[in-house]
Amino acid sequence: NAGVTQTPKFQVLKTGQSMTLQCAQDMNHNSMYWYRQDPGMGLRLIYYSASEGTTDKGEVPNGYNVSRLNKREFSLRLESAAPSQTSVYFCASSVNQGLAGITDTQYFGPGTRLTVL
Amino acid sequence: ELKVEQNPLFLSMQEGKNYTIYCNYSTTSDRLYWYRQDPGKSLESLFVLLSNGAVKQEGRLMASLDTKARLSTLHITAAVHDLSATYFCAVDINYQLIWGAGTKLIIKP
Repeated sequence: NAGVTQTPKFQVLKTGQSMTLQCAQDMNHNSMYWYRQDPGMGLRLIYYSASEGTTDKGEVPNGYNVSRLNKREFSLRLESAAPSQTSVYFCASSVNQGLAGITDTQYFGPGTRLTVL
Repeated sequence: ELKVEQNPLFLSMQEGKNYTIYCNYSTTSDRLYWYRQDPGKSLESLFVLLSNGAVKQEGRLMASLDTKARLSTLHITAAVHDLSATYFCAVDINYQLIWGAGTKLIIKP
């Protein structure tokens, strides 16, 4: 089991460029998440997908789009990168058995370190 | 506004000492998580606390939850260097986790 995998591990973009971060999980989890981590701020949720076919905004969705391609894969797209999007991006997944409003333990990928110049 | 506050944010301590990290949150929740992150690495789940009064222990770490006070603690007993890391608490609110800023723990020999 690879768990949660993310590609790429590192990326440098110029302002205005676009890119897609890929995430896949092999644990048959229902829910997937994208976070960004900035120094001293903990993790902030960008978007999440509670189940295949659904996506919802998190705390900081502006400038991002997501696609839940299938149960395994959840991608994050930056359409026009800005220096403020320089961050470490983590993808996570959880089983989520369907209890209303509750998320189970989240398992994290290794992260993508993105720099926007 | 939902807030999760950890303190201290930075802690340097000697091996063998005991210490406690605090996590306060501003809204009702019955589920709280503790995670560990090593420098440059991903996050690893340590504990999930599911109800008021819950206590979990793993080695030198013990976590507890008081939902009435909206407070969780992570207690470190007889610290060792290997426990040096950043520790995060996260509160479960309506399908999302709201995260504290993290406590960077450095344990000196």
